[in-house]
Amino acid sequence: GQQVMQIPQYQHVQEGEDFTTYCNSSTTLSNIQWYKQRPGGHPVFLIQLVKSGEVKKQKRLTFQFGEAKKNSSLHITATQTTDVGTYFCAGFGSGTYKYIFGTGTRLKVLA
Amino acid sequence: GAGVSQSPSNKVTEKGKDVELRCDPISGHTALYWYRQRLGQGLEFLIYFQGNSAPDKSGLPSDRFSAERTGESVSTLTIQRTQQEDSAVYLCASSLSDGWQPAYEQYFGPGTRLTVT
Repeated sequence: GQQVMQIPQYQHVQEGEDFTTYCNSSTTLSNIQWYKQRPGGHPVFLIQLVKSGEVKKQKRLTFQFGEAKKNSSLHITATQTTDVGTYFCAGFGSGTYKYIFGTGTRLKVLA
Repeated sequence: GAGVSQSPSNKVTEKGKDVELRCDPISGHTALYWYRQRLGQGLEFLIYFQGNSAPDKSGLPSDRFSAERTGESVSTLTIQRTQQEDSAVYLCASSLSDGWQPAYEQYFGPGTRLTVT
C-alpha cells in the first residue's frame, strides 16, 4: 500500500537556525498537504500543493512539491520558539480519496 | 463559527469494555475522517465518510472497531471489547469535498484520549 515517510524523525535547532523536513511517497501523489501539531494539540492545516514543481511561501516557511509529485519539503528560515511542534505531510494518492499521513518530524527550538 | 468537536475529551475504561466516541463535524462539511494517534506517533487512518456514500473502512484495525455517521452530521466510533493496545488519541476531522477527489483542508477536533487499563 501507499506509504509516506518523513525525515528526519526529530530535529533540535538553536533559535535562528534553519530547519527542513522531507516527505517521500512510495507512489505518485495528486496533491500534498502539510499540517503542524503543537505539543498536546491537534493537527492544524498549513498549506496544500497540487502542481508538479510547485513552490509556495508563507512568511518564513517555504513548501515545495517535487517534479515527479512523489516528494515534498518544508523549509523554515530563522526558526523561532513558536515553531516548536510536529510537522506532518499528508499525501493524497491518485484514484483514492483518503490522505496518508507521513510519520512526522518533531522540531524543538532551543532559545 | 464552531469547529469540530469531540466527546468525551478523556475516557478511561477497563479492558474488555465497549466505548463510544463522538464527533460533531463543521456544519456543511460532507467529508469526515477518523484517525488514531498513539503516543509520539503519526496519524493512522481509520475510516472515511463522504456524504451518503458507503464509507471507506479500509483502515479499521479489527472487527472490534466500527463507525457510523448520520447523513452529514454526527459520527460515532465504537470500540468493542477494548484492549490495552487501543489506548491512543482518536482524532476526527472534517472537510468540504467535491466527491471522490476531496482536495480541501481537514479541520481536526481536539481528540478523545482513550486509556484502557
